[in-house]
Amino acid sequence: NAGVTQTPKFRILKIGQSMTLQCTQDMNHNYMYWYRQDPGMGLKLIYYSVGAGITDKGEVPNGYNVSRSTTEDFPLRLELAAPSQTSVYFCASSYIGRYGYTFGSGTRLTVV
Amino acid sequence: AQKVTQAQTEISVVEKEDVTLDCVYETRDTTYYLFWYKQPPSGELVFLIRRNSFDEQNEISGRYSWNFQKSTSSFNFTITASQVVDSAVYFCALSEAKEVGGAQKLVFGQGTRLTINP
Repeated sequence: NAGVTQTPKFRILKIGQSMTLQCTQDMNHNYMYWYRQDPGMGLKLIYYSVGAGITDKGEVPNGYNVSRSTTEDFPLRLELAAPSQTSVYFCASSYIGRYGYTFGSGTRLTVV
Repeated sequence: AQKVTQAQTEISVVEKEDVTLDCVYETRDTTYYLFWYKQPPSGELVFLIRRNSFDEQNEISGRYSWNFQKSTSSFNFTITASQVVDSAVYFCALSEAKEVGGAQKLVFGQGTRLTINP
C-alpha cells in the first residue's frame, strides 16, 4: 500500500513561474486536503475535496487552484509563484471524514 | 473561530525525564475532535491520537498519555521516561464535526519542538 504519494519532493521556482504539485492516494479515500507548513509554524489548510468534482477553499487559498477529476488524484496548481509561497506542502486523505489523516511525505518548495 | 495554542515553542530535557506538552484550544462547537501529530526530523507527519469531545477519559499508550479536560479546554500530552527517538516537533490539532461524514478540516497549533538529550 503506497498511501499518499506526493511529487516532487523538492522544487525551486523562479518568481512568476507556475507548477503543479501532484498528489495521489490508493486507499479509495473520499476526502483529500492540501496544507502548507511555513517555517516554525503549524499547518494551514489551502483547499480540500470531499469527492471527485467537488472542491472548496480552506484558510489560505489565494494563489492556488485545485481540481479533483478522480478519487485518486488531487493536484495543486501554483500560478505566478511568489516568495510568500515558499513552504512545505502536504497532501492528505481521509475516509468518511471522521478519522485521522494519512499524510503524504511533503513537497518542499522554494520560490526565488 | 477555532484556534489551537501550543505555548511551549521548544522544550529540551534529558533522556528518561518525563515531559508534558501543553495544548489549549478554542471552539464554539459542542462536538469536535482533537488530535496529536508527531513530525520527526525526516519531516513526515505521524498520527498519534484522536479524541472526540464527548470522551474525556485519559488515554495511555505505552509511554504516551493524554489528558483531556473540557473545563480548561486543554488536551495535554505527556511522554514518560523520554527517549532520544522522541525528539520531534509535536502538533496539536482541532477539527469541528458539523455534519456526519463531513470533511475533517484541521486547525493546527504552531507546534512544540521537543529535544531529548542523551
